[in-house]
Amino acid sequence: AQSVTQPDIHITVSEGASLELRCNYSYGATPYLFWYVQSPGQGLQLLLKYFSGDTLVQGIKGFEAEFKRSQSSFNLRKPSVHWSDAAEYFCAVGGESGGSYIPTFGRGTSLIVHP
Amino acid sequence: KAGVTQTPRYLIKTRGQQVTLSCSPISGHRSVSWYQQTPGQGLQFLFEYFSETQRNKGNFPGRFSGRQFSNSRSEMNVSTLELGDSALYLCASSLEGLLYGYTFGSGTRLTVV
Repeated sequence: AQSVTQPDIHITVSEGASLELRCNYSYGATPYLFWYVQSPGQGLQLLLKYFSGDTLVQGIKGFEAEFKRSQSSFNLRKPSVHWSDAAEYFCAVGGESGGSYIPTFGRGTSLIVHP
Repeated sequence: KAGVTQTPRYLIKTRGQQVTLSCSPISGHRSVSWYQQTPGQGLQFLFEYFSETQRNKGNFPGRFSGRQFSNSRSEMNVSTLELGDSALYLCASSLEGLLYGYTFGSGTRLTVV
């Protein structure tokens, strides 16, 4: 069975500082990996996804993530955080089921940005 | 391009009642998935519909059901509501499924009293 662990429930950073959110997954084959962001009262927005190829993936809003198969990780990074980045971040791994691919989401990491 | 629209945004129901939630996907998207989000359990997959057929189902009791219409709009129904059904219900649409990435709606906040 597939699973996702986001070890950090909360992360606090200062505006302008760099950011790394951790994600570890468990999946028997090549995983399909995603990062989503959720602002308060909103649905989830896709930041980036990894299926294959280059292990460093660029996303929207200046985010990137690196797939490391040996560590079963897919950490999200941003070089300089803006106050508007404060939100909940979800990592997800997708696996095939019945001809479709159903993602399993992590529990999320809440990002707090100090001015 | 309109996003995923969920109605209503908020609902308050009494235990034992039933409720129907609606989701209009992005035009052209044929896959619609439903998720339940709670602070205790996080995001849990309910079911996915593709071209009016249920393609996948999560581990929820039979009180949770859904359907998809020919225009890809989807409805989710919960019968005999329990207090534990209080949650944010999110709908997500995609062209063909997960590999294309989901676009989520803002959700329906259901409170059962």
